[in-house]
Amino acid sequence: EPEVTQTPSHQVTQMGQEVILRCVPISNHLYFYWYRQILGQKVEFLVSFYNNEISEKSEIFDDQFSVERPDGSNFTLKIRSTKLEDSAMYFCASRTPGTLYSPLHFGNGTRLTVT
Amino acid sequence: DAKTTQPPSMDCAEGRAANLPCNHSTISGNEYVYWYRQIHSQGPQYIIHGLKNNETNEMASLIITEDRKSSTLILPHATLRDTAVYYCIVSARQSGNTPLVFGKGTRLSVIA
Repeated sequence: EPEVTQTPSHQVTQMGQEVILRCVPISNHLYFYWYRQILGQKVEFLVSFYNNEISEKSEIFDDQFSVERPDGSNFTLKIRSTKLEDSAMYFCASRTPGTLYSPLHFGNGTRLTVT
Repeated sequence: DAKTTQPPSMDCAEGRAANLPCNHSTISGNEYVYWYRQIHSQGPQYIIHGLKNNETNEMASLIITEDRKSSTLILPHATLRDTAVYYCIVSARQSGNTPLVFGKGTRLSVIA
């Protein structure tokens, strides 16, 4: 069964550094998402992306964050200047369009640790 | 914010049915009930969804009350691998890029 793959599985960075989290969505999917989960807390929506532009974003997704689909397969989340509170699991998800419900398919996440 | 209420935790004996309740008393007519689960720290996994009729698939059954104010997810024969956090989510039909909003869910522990 096709999967959403995320790399790296664990990223350690110093405060103030830029990080790029990478995702390869399922190949025929057209809607893409980033969520995050701080340890012990809820899964929180960050941003959704369709047709090469952001569809929706949450309050968390401020100017420090950006997303990009640089080619036909990758979907990236960039954090420009990381803060300690950005430490979390970051999940990428994708789904296919259609009139019937198509569930979100999540990757297994990237654990970001900011020191 | 999540529009559902779930118990924070439940236990279930291995091999028995796990019945996970969800209250969604303010659900609107066009909103569906979706269930996802998260095993350990993996990404959430879709289980099932419904509007007003009961639904069944290879993973679970979903029972929605007639007034649609509550529902129950049933795992008919729980195994240790079903230990996870289960999320009940109410949302309009997932069209376009409407994001799912996760609550705190129910932590189900399946005990041998």
